[in-house]
Amino acid sequence: NAGVTQTPKFQVLKTGQSMTLQCAQDMNHEYMSWYRQDPGMGLRLIHYSVGAGITDQGEVPNGYNVSRSTTEDFPLRLLSAAPSQTSVYFCASRRQGASTDTQYFGPGTRLTVL
Amino acid sequence: AQSVTQPDIHITVSEGASLELRCNYSYGATPYLFWYVQSPGQGLQLLLKYFSGDTLVQGIKGFEAEFKRSQSSFNLRKPSVHWSDAAEYFCAGSLRAGGTSYGKLTFGQGTILTVHP
Repeated sequence: NAGVTQTPKFQVLKTGQSMTLQCAQDMNHEYMSWYRQDPGMGLRLIHYSVGAGITDQGEVPNGYNVSRSTTEDFPLRLLSAAPSQTSVYFCASRRQGASTDTQYFGPGTRLTVL
Repeated sequence: AQSVTQPDIHITVSEGASLELRCNYSYGATPYLFWYVQSPGQGLQLLLKYFSGDTLVQGIKGFEAEFKRSQSSFNLRKPSVHWSDAAEYFCAGSLRAGGTSYGKLTFGQGTILTVHP
């Protein structure tokens, strides 16, 4: 199993540009989520999904859109990038049904918005 | 609102010395608790987790953590630190199963560990 994969690893955008961060998992996990990591703030939840067709907002959803058309994929879209979205983005997945199950994290995408 | 706090932003220890990283939580009820480690440029790796039962939890890489309800703490310890332990460590909590928790993790701010030879 590849686990949780994210592409790209690095990205530089100009203010106002749009892009999609890709996340895929091959563990048949129902639950997937996106976090952003900023220095001194830990990781904060952006959006999450409990299955195909079901998404919900986390702690910091503004400026981001998500959709979940398949179990495997959970892309994160920035419609109009802003410098405040400069961050490292992590995707995670776990089995649904038990909060005790381990969440598996991808390697991250480092995004810079100029 | 739930919160997890790591009071120490940066800790420096000598190789071979013991280590304790602090974590405090604020939840309405006892949460599930986790410690993750992040090496530079890498993703997060789970060190250990607490759900219930024995308050001393053993993890990978020789780490352990002790859950203390009276102090709302879940401190991470290692008796002898190795240079390869240098990394950033995150404490996290989630509500117990049921309702709309869906395992959403709340992270502390992180503690950067530097190990001197």
